[in-house]
Amino acid sequence: DIQMTQSPASLSASLGETVTIECRASEDIYSNLAWYQQKPGNSPQLLIYDANSLADGVPSRFSGSGSGTQYSLKINSLQSEDVASYFCQQYNNYPPWTFGGGTKLELK
Amino acid sequence: EVQLVESGGGLVQPGRSLKLSCVASGFTFSNYGMNWIRQAPGKGLEWVAYISSGSSYIYYAETVKGRFTISRDNAKNTLYLQMTSLRSEDTALYYCARRQYYGPVMDAWGQGASVTVSS
Repeated sequence: DIQMTQSPASLSASLGETVTIECRASEDIYSNLAWYQQKPGNSPQLLIYDANSLADGVPSRFSGSGSGTQYSLKINSLQSEDVASYFCQQYNNYPPWTFGGGTKLELK
Repeated sequence: EVQLVESGGGLVQPGRSLKLSCVASGFTFSNYGMNWIRQAPGKGLEWVAYISSGSSYIYYAETVKGRFTISRDNAKNTLYLQMTSLRSEDTALYYCARRQYYGPVMDAWGQGASVTVSS
């Protein structure tokens, strides 16, 4: 199975700041990577797929990039509604679909 | 509006069984593959099972293979997860999630059904 490692596990940032979350795969996943956002008390929602394609309705301040085994999620101009946990997921080799451990983003 | 509503969760003793349901609305259920994904308290996401639109393809995580059964009734727009021989480590919030029509990601999630396995 492909292992997904996210960093950092938690992050504190100020409003308006730019935030970057990293995700590393145990092998090349050829950009078959998604990001999900889970706001407190809610279910996860698809944010980005194919490493850099925004899902419907996702604000343009979110962006994804990367290739091979290294990927990142960037949030420009952090808003209060972005407080959430973020999970990466690979779908290059499934089943199983595997997720990263998550990054909890809080406001400073 | 796409909606997925899980039910059937609860407190169950180790070794017992429980069946979850997920009723779909707002889209043509029979056209989509469906997943169950769980999240233990304070933990990350773990994919549990997948069933294709016509039930031809079914996959399980190794942690539940042989104990859980995923199924669906397209006439009732309902997805199921039959869980047997439950263990404490199965305690989690269980989400049903729709597979994207043109890709393998999960593009819609329910609110989850809570399962607690404890004596």
